[in-house]
Amino acid sequence: AQTVTQSQPEMSVQEAETVTLSCTYDTSESDYYLFWYKQPPSRQMILVIRQEAYKQQNATENRFSVNFQKAAKSFSLKISDSQLGDAAMYFCAYRSRGGSEKLVFGKGTKLTVNP
Amino acid sequence: DVKVTQSSRYLVKRTGEKVFLECVQDMDHENMFWYRQDPGLGLRLIYFSYDVKMKEKGDIPEGYSVSREKKERFSLILESASTNQTSMYLCASRPWSGTDLDEQYFGPGTRLTVT
Repeated sequence: AQTVTQSQPEMSVQEAETVTLSCTYDTSESDYYLFWYKQPPSRQMILVIRQEAYKQQNATENRFSVNFQKAAKSFSLKISDSQLGDAAMYFCAYRSRGGSEKLVFGKGTKLTVNP
Repeated sequence: DVKVTQSSRYLVKRTGEKVFLECVQDMDHENMFWYRQDPGLGLRLIYFSYDVKMKEKGDIPEGYSVSREKKERFSLILESASTNQTSMYLCASRPWSGTDLDEQYFGPGTRLTVT
């Protein structure tokens, strides 16, 4: 069974600075998908960024980018120019390719952005 | 925009009561999910449904059941609520588009307290 590990329960960053959230996963599969979701306080969880394992190029979405290291089974999220609105719980998630609907989530990292 | 709504944001029930948590999505998605979110444990899948009247057990189905009589509505049922079911419950939906990259869309959550 796949597992997802987020080793940082809490992180903090100064506004306008850059922060990296870590995620590692364990799988024997060669093809899969990885996601970062954001859950702001008292608000709905939304997708931040996604990555297909067979694509070597790291995904980027505006200020959000990932460092995907397939051999190391690592999928970190970098937030550049941090804003107060980035404060949230961030969850890393894994999905197998080919029919599985199940997302496997990490335990989350709480990000605080200091003004 | 996809909208996933949940019947209550906060709910307080007594031990032994039968509890219904309702989820409705307005985007004609085939797949719907119920998760439980606890601090330090992340999100854990309780049940999911890929079609009307179809359901699959997730990782922690014990003590729960589900119902999907209509495509847009997915109900989570606690047959006899217990204090260890005090938690945040999140509903999600996803289209059956054949694209594994499709994200899950989440509702705002129901914080259930069982006393």
